[in-house]
Amino acid sequence: EIVLAQSPATLSLSPGERATLSCRASQSVSSYLAWYQQKPGQAPRLLIYDASNRATGIPARFSGSGSGTDFTLTISSLEPEDFAVYYCHQRSNWPPGTFGQGTKLEIK
Amino acid sequence: QVQLVESGGGLVKPGGSLRLSCEASGFTFSDYYMTWVRQAPGKGLEWVSYLSGGSSNIYYADSVKGRFTISRDNAKNSLYLQMSTLRAEDTAVYYCARLGRWRPGLFDYWGQGTLVTVSS
Repeated sequence: EIVLAQSPATLSLSPGERATLSCRASQSVSSYLAWYQQKPGQAPRLLIYDASNRATGIPARFSGSGSGTDFTLTISSLEPEDFAVYYCHQRSNWPPGTFGQGTKLEIK
Repeated sequence: QVQLVESGGGLVKPGGSLRLSCEASGFTFSDYYMTWVRQAPGKGLEWVSYLSGGSSNIYYADSVKGRFTISRDNAKNSLYLQMSTLRAEDTAVYYCARLGRWRPGLFDYWGQGTLVTVSS
């Protein structure tokens, strides 16, 4: 089983600041890593796929990087609507793939 | 635009059964693999099951294998999840999601979810 560890568990920042979220895999997942955003009471939304590709309609302030075991989601300048929980997901061994446990991005 | 609308959730007793539905629109339903993902209250995401456009390929997570059955009706643009022998740990919001056509395992669109509560 491939385990994804996200850090930090909670990130407290202010609007306008830069956010850096990490996802580390227990073994290589190549570039088969996606990031999802989930706001309270809402479904997850695909942000980034294959490590660095923005999904349709996702603002340019969201970017992804990494390959192998270490991945990063960066939000260049936080907007109020960006405060949410972020999950990474790997599909290198799909099915089943695995989700990370999530990082909660909260307003400082 | 792609829309996925789940229904069928509710309160059920342990050992009981429930059938979830997901109605799709805005894309050619039969061209896509579809999947169910669940989220227990206050917890993370857990993949449950998927099936191919023609229903020939079906997979289940070990946690639901033998108890849940996924199916689809392409004429009705609908996906289903028949859940039986339900346990308290099956309590969750169940999301229907579309899988990327050329990217197996990528959940590119999600429904809003339907809550299943298993409790006596």
